[in-house]
Amino acid sequence: NAGVTQTPKFQVLKTGQSMTLQCAQDMNHEYMSWYRQDPGMGLRLIHYSVGAGITDQGEVPNGYNVSRSTTEDFPLRLLSAAPSQTSVYFCASSYSGRGDTEAFFGQGTRLTVV
Amino acid sequence: GNSVTQMEGPVTLSEEAFLTINCTYTATGYPSLFWYVQYPGEGLQLLLKATKADDKGSNKGFEATYRKETTSFHLEKGSVQVSDSAVYFCAPAANDYKLSFGAGTTVTVRA
Repeated sequence: NAGVTQTPKFQVLKTGQSMTLQCAQDMNHEYMSWYRQDPGMGLRLIHYSVGAGITDQGEVPNGYNVSRSTTEDFPLRLLSAAPSQTSVYFCASSYSGRGDTEAFFGQGTRLTVV
Repeated sequence: GNSVTQMEGPVTLSEEAFLTINCTYTATGYPSLFWYVQYPGEGLQLLLKATKADDKGSNKGFEATYRKETTSFHLEKGSVQVSDSAVYFCAPAANDYKLSFGAGTTVTVRA
């Protein structure tokens, strides 16, 4: 079972460049989200989606865009990369918005902006 | 929204030692409570959960009890192994799906 797949695993960008982090899940989950993980800060929610065509902002959305055209895919776009966006990014999905539902995570994308 | 205070690490233990990682939270209502674990080079995965007061979640020898009166969900394991070396995250979840994560506690178990 593939679960949640993120690509790429590693990426180095120059300041001002743009890129898209890909996230796909094969579990037919309605709910998907993006988190960033920084030392000493846990995971912080960037954007989330409760279904195809519906997205909303999380705790730290500035500098990131998302879209959800299909149930399976939830790409995260950096329009103009900044060093402050150096982080490890995780995509997660779950089948329900209920609070007792397990979230499934991808293996992460380690992004460095120089 | 919810917030989490988690015991800071890193924590270094010898094999077969007892492990406790403290977690307290603030939340509106009664959230479900989760512990997620992140092994080196991997994403997070669910370790255990509890959905109501006094529930005990357990998995892989780890346990945590939902204490509503102290708003705590401390993680314990009686005898750790080298394979338990990982980062552990406490996370309350409200019914709006959003998880709130603690800063994470890095645990290293020495043989």
